[in-house]
Amino acid sequence: DVKVTQSSRYLVKRTGEKVFLECVQDMDHENMFWYRQDPGLGLRLIYFSYDVKMKEKGDIPEGYSVSREKKERFSLILESASTNQTSMYLCASSLIWAGGTDTQYFGPGTRLTVL
Amino acid sequence: ILNVEQSPQSLHVQEGDSTNFTCSFPSSNFYALHWYRWETAKSPEALFVMTLNGDEKKKGRISATLNTKEGYSYLYIKGSQPEDSATYLCAPRAGNQFYFGTGTSLTVIP
Repeated sequence: DVKVTQSSRYLVKRTGEKVFLECVQDMDHENMFWYRQDPGLGLRLIYFSYDVKMKEKGDIPEGYSVSREKKERFSLILESASTNQTSMYLCASSLIWAGGTDTQYFGPGTRLTVL
Repeated sequence: ILNVEQSPQSLHVQEGDSTNFTCSFPSSNFYALHWYRWETAKSPEALFVMTLNGDEKKKGRISATLNTKEGYSYLYIKGSQPEDSATYLCAPRAGNQFYFGTGTSLTVIP
């Protein structure tokens, strides 16, 4: 079974802090994704990566950056956390572009609260 | 950004009832349509992926259909059980991204 793990289930940070959210997958997937989920809104894509050291902006990249130094690990960085970044963050991975049929496998999510 | 709409937003049904919900999406630049089930305190899990107009997929009591020309997909649950309680997300794949709807929250009352 594919396993996607995230470093924390719950995280509380202060405004202005630099925050790292880590995601690791164990199935040698090429693609990795970071989403945030807020009430009343669908999962919104922040960034994705289709290879080591490659990254693409999603729909809401402002205030975030990412790092993918190893194939299995994809990090989301909040350079200076703000209260409007309080959200549930989900990481996902998928095998490779296959005409759009690549299934995403999700981590358990990190609920981040910025005070 | 792709506008994906799911309806209804939430649904309460009695155990044993059959139910269905809808996912609407723009039909241009479409590659595939994914359905996920997201149970509380768990990760979203893939149910189906469909690509062709007229596709139908089935897994146990759950089935889905796809109409790419008019841009919609239906998810059906036959004889709902309490363990079907979850949020059901649809996600068209267009270009190199998935675009998730807000989901339909299903509660099955024993």
